[in-house]
Amino acid sequence: TQTVSQSDAHVTVFEGDSVELRCNYSYGGSIYLSWYIQHHGRGLQFLLKYYSGNPVVQGVNGFKAEFSKSDSSFHLRKASVHWSDSAVYFCAVSYQGGRALIFGTGTTVSVSP
Amino acid sequence: EAAVTQSPRNKVTVTGGNVTLSCRQTNSHNYMYWYRQDTGHGLRLIHYSYGAGNLQIGDVPDGYKATRTTQEDFFLLLELASPSQTSLYFCASSDAATGGVEQYFGPGTRLTVL
Repeated sequence: TQTVSQSDAHVTVFEGDSVELRCNYSYGGSIYLSWYIQHHGRGLQFLLKYYSGNPVVQGVNGFKAEFSKSDSSFHLRKASVHWSDSAVYFCAVSYQGGRALIFGTGTTVSVSP
Repeated sequence: EAAVTQSPRNKVTVTGGNVTLSCRQTNSHNYMYWYRQDTGHGLRLIHYSYGAGNLQIGDVPDGYKATRTTQEDFFLLLELASPSQTSLYFCASSDAATGGVEQYFGPGTRLTVL
């Protein structure tokens, strides 16, 4: 069974702080890993993905994520958050060759001024 | 110019009612998906499709039917709605070339079953 876990339900940071959102997965084969963002009242938007190669992938708006096979992790980071980064962030996995995404339960990020 | 649109945006029905949720994408994508979003569960896949006339069963299909009439249009049908189907429903599309990883979501439909 393929699972995705996001250990933090809610993270609060100040504007300008760095943030790390944790994602761990369990699956033995080749998978795609991705992150999505959902602003309040909106649909999800794709941020970035990883399949192979450089374990650090850059996304939009200064987000980046790092894959670790040994830790079964794909954590998302941003060096300096802005108030507009307040949103729910979802980690997702899918099998090689596609099918559909399996999402984690999401981490709500609240950025205080 | 939104590439994935959903209608209606809000819907209230009664137990046993018949509901159809509509989704249209103008991305020329092959893949389309229906998800439901509930607090504590994230998004869960109901049904998906690889193209017109194709239907695949997702992870939580019970009580739902779906039909992909064209490449652009994907419908979700609740023929005997129950309160447990009160949820926020999202449609998404994806290009086969990305293996379904990069999905483009609609704005969602909030369904309430009384």
